[in-house]
Amino acid sequence: AQSVTQLDSHVSVSEGTPVLLRCNYSSSYSPSLFWYVQHPNKGLQLLLKYTSAATLVKGINGFEAEFKKSETSFHLTKPSAHMSDAAEYFCVVSDPGSGGYNKLIFGAGTRLAVHP
Amino acid sequence: DGGITQSPKYLFRKEGQNVTLSCEQNLNHDAMYWYRQDPGQGLRLIYYSQIVNDFQKGDIAEGYSVSREKKESFPLTVTSAQKNPTAFYLCASSSRGYEQYFGPGTRLTVT
Repeated sequence: AQSVTQLDSHVSVSEGTPVLLRCNYSSSYSPSLFWYVQHPNKGLQLLLKYTSAATLVKGINGFEAEFKKSETSFHLTKPSAHMSDAAEYFCVVSDPGSGGYNKLIFGAGTRLAVHP
Repeated sequence: DGGITQSPKYLFRKEGQNVTLSCEQNLNHDAMYWYRQDPGQGLRLIYYSQIVNDFQKGDIAEGYSVSREKKESFPLTVTSAQKNPTAFYLCASSSRGYEQYFGPGTRLTVT
């Protein structure tokens, strides 16, 4: 069965310093992996996705993630945090189903705080 | 302007009343989904639909019902049988095999 674990429930950084949000996954298939971001009382926005192409995936707003099969990890990074990055981040693995429907398995989320 | 709309943004109901949450998409996506989000938790799948007039239960379907009479619409009814209905409800849609796009959500409070 597919599963995803976000290793930190809260991360706090200073503006201008690097961001690292950690995610480990479990999958019996070659997985599709996603990072979504959610600002307070908003829907989820796709940051980036990995679908078995390049292992280093670049997303929006300067975020990127590296797929490491040997470590079953898909950590999200950004070189320099901005105040607007403060939000909840979800690591997601796709569980392929019948009829082309992909069930999404969500991590519990990491709340990122950015301090001046 | 393509996207997913959910209405209303905030909804208040008395215990024992059924309530219907709206979800509309103009992305021409075949599949639509309903999720529930509780504080400090990830999203949990309630129902999903891959085509018109067909839908399947997700992980937490008890106390909920849906319909899919039109491709662009997937309303969710929270019935009085749902024991803990207060939550943030998110609708999503996707094309076959691709990533899901989410609406802005409806926060339901039942007292």
